[in-house]
Amino acid sequence: NAGVTQTPKFRVLKTGQSMTLLCAQDMNHEYMYWYRQDPGMGLRLIHYSVGEGTTAKGEVPDGYNVSRLKKQNFLLGLESAAPSQTSVYFCASRHRDGGDEKLFFGSGTQLSVL
Amino acid sequence: TQLLEQSPQFLSIQEGENLTVYCNSSSVFSSLQWYRQEPGEGPVLLVTVVTGGEVKKLKRLTFQFGDARKDSSLHITAAQPGDTGLYLCGAGGTSYGKLTFGQGTILTVHP
Repeated sequence: NAGVTQTPKFRVLKTGQSMTLLCAQDMNHEYMYWYRQDPGMGLRLIHYSVGEGTTAKGEVPDGYNVSRLKKQNFLLGLESAAPSQTSVYFCASRHRDGGDEKLFFGSGTQLSVL
Repeated sequence: TQLLEQSPQFLSIQEGENLTVYCNSSSVFSSLQWYRQEPGEGPVLLVTVVTGGEVKKLKRLTFQFGDARKDSSLHITAAQPGDTGLYLCGAGGTSYGKLTFGQGTILTVHP
């Protein structure tokens, strides 16, 4: 059982380059999320999806786009990378069983924009 | 947007000591989750508290939810080097399962 898988694990970009981060989950979860983690700032929500074909903005969406064409995949795109987007990116999916809720996180993508 | 203040930001202690991490807000939460994160990995859920005044124990870890559901604490008894990591609190209460996270507490337990 792989859970939540993120690729790539590391990436270095030059300012202005584009890239896509892939998140895949095999738990049939409806809800998926993209967070970024910066020192001293915890996790901040970028975008999220409540089901296949749906996406919504989170707390810090500027400079990012997302797509959820298939239920198991949630893609995060950077069209024109900026140094301020240097961060560690985490994808998560949500398990809900009655009143029990839990987020499952991937192992992260460390992105450096030079 | 709920704002969560987590303290302390850093904690460096010796094996066997006790410690407490706090998570506070001016807003009421519907639930509060505590996660632990190791280097190079994503956060892993430790516990969820949902009822004001609730206390949950997980071996040497004790989690408490404030009566007014605005604050929570994590207490570790007799810390061990294996407890080293980043501890995050995350508050529910918004739609679509979105969590608002505190800044995190980096705990280092020295042998």
